[in-house]
Amino acid sequence: DVKVTQSSRYLVKRTGEKVFLECVQDMDHENMFWYRQDPGLGLRLIYFSYDVKMKEKGDIPEGYSVSREKKERFSLILESASTNQTSMYLCASSSGQRQQYFGPGTRLTVT
Amino acid sequence: DQQVKQNSPSLSVQEGRISILNCDYTNSMFDYFLWYKKYPAEGPTFLISISSIKDKNEDGRFTVFLNKSAKHLSLHIVPSQPGDSAVYFCAASDGTGNQFYFGTGTSLTVIP
Repeated sequence: DVKVTQSSRYLVKRTGEKVFLECVQDMDHENMFWYRQDPGLGLRLIYFSYDVKMKEKGDIPEGYSVSREKKERFSLILESASTNQTSMYLCASSSGQRQQYFGPGTRLTVT
Repeated sequence: DQQVKQNSPSLSVQEGRISILNCDYTNSMFDYFLWYKKYPAEGPTFLISISSIKDKNEDGRFTVFLNKSAKHLSLHIVPSQPGDSAVYFCAASDGTGNQFYFGTGTSLTVIP
């Protein structure tokens, strides 16, 4: 079974803190993605990566950065957390056009 | 601009009846479509997909229909079960496999 794991299920951070969300997949997938899910807005793509050290901006990259130093690991960084970044963050991986496999999500609250 | 739209935020259906979830898209370059199911506090899980060369794909109780001329797809669940209660997301890919576009989701409640 494909497994995508995320470093935390729940996270509470203060405004202005630097936040790291990590995602690891075990299926040697080329593509990895970070989304945020908000009520009424669905899943919005923040960044994706189709190879090690490669990254592409998604629909809402502002306030975020990413790092992919190894194929299996894709990190999302909030440089200075703000309250409007309170959300559910979902990591996914895929190989080519096939389905994406999602992690369990990280519920981030910024106070 | 939202390229994949799910215009019904919620749907309630009696157990045993058919559930029909709808999805519209605007980009004619999309050639692969997927449905995901999501329970609260969990990540989405893949349910069923369809390529643009087909107009129907069936997997057990789940059937996806694609109408390319109308840029519309639908998911049929027959018979609906209480365990089907979840949020369903429609997604589309443009063939590169590098990006997927998601709808806003439809929350399905199956009433026992």
